[in-house]
Parts: sequence; C-alpha cells; structure tokens
Amino acid sequence: DVVMTQTPLSLSVTPGQPASISCKSSQSLLHSDGKTYLYWYLQKPGQSPQLLIYEVSNRFSGVPDRFSGGGSGTDFTLKISRVEAEDVGVYYCMQSKQLPRTFGQGTKVEMK
Amino acid sequence: EVQMMESGGGLAQPGGSLRLSCAASGFTFSNYGMSWVRQAPGKGLEWVAGLSRNSVGTYHADSVKGRFTISRDNSKNTLYLQMNSLRVEDTAIYYCAKENGASSGYYEHFQLWGQGTLVTVSS
Repeated sequence: DVVMTQTPLSLSVTPGQPASISCKSSQSLLHSDGKTYLYWYLQKPGQSPQLLIYEVSNRFSGVPDRFSGGGSGTDFTLKISRVEAEDVGVYYCMQSKQLPRTFGQGTKVEMK
Repeated sequence: EVQMMESGGGLAQPGGSLRLSCAASGFTFSNYGMSWVRQAPGKGLEWVAGLSRNSVGTYHADSVKGRFTISRDNSKNTLYLQMNSLRVEDTAIYYCAKENGASSGYYEHFQLWGQGTLVTVSS
C-alpha cells in the first residue's frame, strides 16, 4: 500500500497567520497520463470530511482562495495564507493512484 | 441540494451482521461511483469499499474482503454495505461518499460525504 505521511501532526496557529502542512507519499503519485492523484480533505469538529483540493492544486467548488496546494511526485504541501477560526479541524491528504486509496494520519489545526 | 443519508448502524456482537444503507438525493445517483469510508473512534480515515455507477467495478479493502459486500440499487438511489463476521476492530463511523466520476477506485476521489452512521461491535 502507498503510505502517506503528514507533518506536523498538530499545529497551533494565530488567526490571520499562515499555516502549512506537508504530505509525503511512499511512491510517486504522478501517473503516465500527466495527472498527480493527490487530494486534501478537512474534517471540521463533529462533521464529516469535506474536499478542499483535488489533483494537487485545484480548489474544489466553494473552497476559499486562502487555501492552496502544491508539490509534485512524492512531496506535497497544503498552505493556508491567513488562517481563520473556521479552518480548525483535522486535515488529511489522500492518494488514489494505487488501490487501496490511502490517507495520511491527519494534521490537527487549532487556534492559539 | 446534494445529500447522502446513512442508516443501519448500531450495536452488533462479534461474529454478527449489519446492513448499512445510504440514501442519496440531489444528484443523478446512477451516474456516479460510490464508496464507503470508515473512521474508528479518535482515529483517521480508512477506505472500505467502492463500486462503479453500474456495479461492474467493485473494490474492497483487504481488511474487509470476504466479510463485507458493497452494492447499490440505482432505482432506489441507495448504496448498501452488507457487513458479516463483524470484529471488534470494525467499530467505527461509516461514511458513504460520492465519487467525482462514474467509477470507483483508481484515479477517483471522494467529492461529497454523508454524515455517517456509527457501528459498534462489542459483546
């Protein structure tokens, strides 16, 4: 299975400040079709996960532009330009280049 | 509004069975692949099973293969998960999730999630 490793596992952020989460995969997620099958999800407290970013850097419908994704191959990053109170929760990366689809352990983001 | 509503969770004994359902609305259910993803208490996310829009392609995680079966009824806009030979480690919230496309598995992702149903396996 492809192992997804996130760092840090927890993050305390001051509102209005930037935040960054790293996700590394044990195998390249770049496919011969040119796409990279890496996604980001946010699970807010008491809620189900919601899609933020698909294929590394594409924001899903309705996702604020303060969220951005980047990276390539095996190293990926989710950035929040200015963290807001509604951004608290656990962030997961996920790959779908190989089955089974696998998730990172999650990064818990909280406000200082 | 797109909605998925899971039901069927509850308490089961080890070795027992449960059948989960996921009623979908607000989109053309028969056009999309669907999956089940679970989350053990206080833990991360684990994909359990998925199937394509026409049920031709089905996939199950090794941890549930031979015990769980995913299926769907497009005439009822409903996804199912038959869970047999339950184990304590199957205790989790089970979410149904809509895929972004017609298949489920390689190269797909979970576009929308239901609210989940809790399955507790305990004697």
